[in-house]
Amino acid sequence: DQQVKQNSPSLSVQEGRISILNCDYTNSMFDYFLWYKKYPAEGPTFLISISSIKDKNEDGRFTVFLNKSAKHLSLHIVPSQPGDSAVYFCAASANAGGTSYGKLTFGQGTILTVHP
Amino acid sequence: DTGVSQDPRHKITKRGQNVTFRCDPISEHNRLYWYRQTLGQGPEFLTYFQNEAQLEKSRLLSDRFSAERPKGSFSTLEIQRTEQGDSAMYLCASSRTGGSGANVLTFGAGSRLTVL
Repeated sequence: DQQVKQNSPSLSVQEGRISILNCDYTNSMFDYFLWYKKYPAEGPTFLISISSIKDKNEDGRFTVFLNKSAKHLSLHIVPSQPGDSAVYFCAASANAGGTSYGKLTFGQGTILTVHP
Repeated sequence: DTGVSQDPRHKITKRGQNVTFRCDPISEHNRLYWYRQTLGQGPEFLTYFQNEAQLEKSRLLSDRFSAERPKGSFSTLEIQRTEQGDSAMYLCASSRTGGSGANVLTFGAGSRLTVL
């Protein structure tokens, strides 16, 4: 039962253009969403997050959009740079009873390649 | 702060042997998590500690797996009678307590297990 899905295994983008990574979820209890980036031989690194009370969160070149009715979120990277080439994971958390903890459900990941 | 440290980085063992992984979290983080990642998949939650108390274990954690955090600082994950299906990357992460920050995990580089 894949509760968080990233349906695109890979994405190739030209430097300077926009990268859009997508993620769908099925569990309506999820109320906090995160994107992680992973380089080879390193652990995942936190990138950006969004609470379900918002529909957009921006941090520099990175923006995450959340559409709760569609159970869909996306990560926009503008402009894309070669150093952004990595595996991107979307993750979700269900924070029951107001107690937050890091039991995250991850998607399968999308390999982003940014060409110079 | 050197981040989350894991040791060893790579372990090759024969089926039936026991292995132990160690994780040293960020010192001011009182939550510690273990995740497992197999090829082509995102990390999957195994268990987590708040201080020395193990508060949740996934169904993925069979009785051959045991995790401890005896003094609320470092943690060990032991796998007894290893099977080839245990081959994976074992990721440790830590976080603060409370609020959305508890969902933002800092991961180590992982310990890769290969069972022959």
